[in-house]
Amino acid sequence: GESVGLHLPTLSVQEGDNSIINCAYSNSASDYFIWYKQESGKGPQFIIDIRSNMDKRQGQRVTVLLNKTVKHLSLQIAATQPGDSAVYFCAETELGATNKLIFGTGTLLAVQP
Amino acid sequence: DTGVSQDPRHKITKRGQNVTFRCDPISEHNRLYWYRQTLGQGPEFLTYFQNEAQLEKSRLLSDRFSAERPKGSFSTLEIQRTEQGDSAMYLCASSLAQFSGNTIYFGEGSWLTVV
Repeated sequence: GESVGLHLPTLSVQEGDNSIINCAYSNSASDYFIWYKQESGKGPQFIIDIRSNMDKRQGQRVTVLLNKTVKHLSLQIAATQPGDSAVYFCAETELGATNKLIFGTGTLLAVQP
Repeated sequence: DTGVSQDPRHKITKRGQNVTFRCDPISEHNRLYWYRQTLGQGPEFLTYFQNEAQLEKSRLLSDRFSAERPKGSFSTLEIQRTEQGDSAMYLCASSLAQFSGNTIYFGEGSWLTVV
């Protein structure tokens, strides 16, 4: 749902389950996308990125899927751990320009032990 | 530690005072960005440097804000005559310009509280 002020969308999962966090981006010209993890009081931490010429990219326990037709990104986290609890942001930008990032609404991932 | 470094991490100041934040980017990163983040929101772009040249400024960056990167390495962000609405976390990020994908790394941020 929409986030307003402090009320971030929240995804609550059990430890060991897989998590899927979704993001809609706004600019059709964006061709580079990054997922960040942000823990309380800390700066955003790079997780994984994907260029628009790809539909899927895998990292360690994480997979990013890109659907350019509907301007949608998702982040899949396998075997979610308590240490994964954080706010997750997707960000979009245009390569070759300033590369300023436009951030989406964050999602709070709460992992229940 | 070879990540993006920011100083100070926390600053409490009285309204009307000036504050300055410093950012040391990852070595050899030629692009440097400043963002502002308020509670519950994603970071918002403020300004961008390629080497020492400030190439873009957001409309969020009022006349009270100024940023410099004099030698193309560290950068400073100064806020003059602070207002309570300036209270936020100020984030610095850096990247190496390349068309194959410019992974952008953030520092831990500088928290500003204006009282």
